[in-house]
Amino acid sequence: ETGVTQTPRHLVMGMTNKKSLKCEQHLGHNAMYWYKQSAKKPLELMFVYNFKEQTENNSVPSRFSPECPNSSHLFLHLHTLQPEDSALYLCASSQESAEETQYFGPGTRLLVL
Amino acid sequence: AQKITQTQPGMFVQEKEAVTLDCTYDTSDPSYGLFWYKQPSSGEMIFLIYQGSYDQQNATEGRYSLNFQKARKSANLVISASQLGDSAMYFCAMRGRPGGYNKLIFGAGTRLAVHP
Repeated sequence: ETGVTQTPRHLVMGMTNKKSLKCEQHLGHNAMYWYKQSAKKPLELMFVYNFKEQTENNSVPSRFSPECPNSSHLFLHLHTLQPEDSALYLCASSQESAEETQYFGPGTRLLVL
Repeated sequence: AQKITQTQPGMFVQEKEAVTLDCTYDTSDPSYGLFWYKQPSSGEMIFLIYQGSYDQQNATEGRYSLNFQKARKSANLVISASQLGDSAMYFCAMRGRPGGYNKLIFGAGTRLAVHP
């Protein structure tokens, strides 16, 4: 596989469920990101990891819990979500450097019922 | 605070014609980067083109070019010879301080429709 992959591509969950989103990058990058894209809102950065360390938490509610076990993998653990959390969740990666472009995965479309 | 503004919610263009998508930005940082991404209906954000604030030349990548006017704080995307596959959402984004170099700030996007 090449680039940035995300699984699952679609997810429907109830408010009491626990689920995880997975992201994997095959680009040799050192930084990984989670973004949220809601309908009619600009893309919002949620978390940034550099060399497996979280360097940015953009005031995200604790019902979203990221995990970065290594530079190639990033997870987003979800629990007790709300219907307003329904969105497209995009993962991205880049080299950990000031000039590097972020490359995105295909996203997970999440629907919370 | 840094901000990206895309004032065109939707645009349409005839196939094979050129189209310009507008983007203005606001930052007090002299060092920043500007990006354009394409998002088809499948959802993936596809990187198109990058312009650094100190770059002397406007960036070009195939049919994409960036009309960078620093004094006006604009970074418009020009797509030449439009193709049906160009129909998608287009996002302008900026990276720079404050907030860290990793942080991208996105505009609201422009939906482009290419008509045959």
